[in-house]
Amino acid sequence: GESVGLHLPTLSVQEGDNSIINCAYSNSASDYFIWYKQESGKGPQFIIDIRSNMDKRQGQRVTVLLNKTVKHLSLQIAATQPGDSAVYFCAENIDQAGTALIFGKGTTLSVSS
Amino acid sequence: EAEVAQSPRYKITEKSQAVAFWCDPISGHATLYWYRQILGQGPELLVQFQDESVVDDSQLPKDRFSAERLKGVDSTLKIQPAELGDSAMYLCASSKHGSGNTIYFGEGSWLTVV
Repeated sequence: GESVGLHLPTLSVQEGDNSIINCAYSNSASDYFIWYKQESGKGPQFIIDIRSNMDKRQGQRVTVLLNKTVKHLSLQIAATQPGDSAVYFCAENIDQAGTALIFGKGTTLSVSS
Repeated sequence: EAEVAQSPRYKITEKSQAVAFWCDPISGHATLYWYRQILGQGPELLVQFQDESVVDDSQLPKDRFSAERLKGVDSTLKIQPAELGDSAMYLCASSKHGSGNTIYFGEGSWLTVV
């Protein structure tokens, strides 16, 4: 599968590969994180979230990993499909503080068949 | 599945004109957000409401932008006068209450100022 250690604006993979999208968050006080998928011309779609008391959370074909030590978040997509092609954003905020989400830089995932 | 409704989906307006966007959040969601997304960038918060009260409007250009949520349900974002640099997608989002709850976005309203 394709993986990157640092945030890259684009990621190209073959159908069936595993994809890893990385995100560095900014605020060490943030304790709630969400990954969104945004298709062209549409609003962000919720994929998966994780709280800071967890290191890993799994959904359907997706896994989010959180490393609080280095303020790093990753989204793993298993068996990537053409329909996964989109821009992926991570977002952070501070639980219970009433603050809004702050979005990171997006990564454009392109899946070729 | 409940959705955040926004209208219009697309708007073209001349600079110096007024434009308004409407949002109806998911039923029961007390917190409503307006974000602006410039092409190629992540969404940036303009204003956050808790029920009918503004929680955060620190990034709202108040000389030309206004937002209201009079009855704590639907909301309107207005721009007057529009400037060329306002061309962007305006996203509405809602959550049950405050942070730590999943935030759902609408499909957005595309604004082009000519």
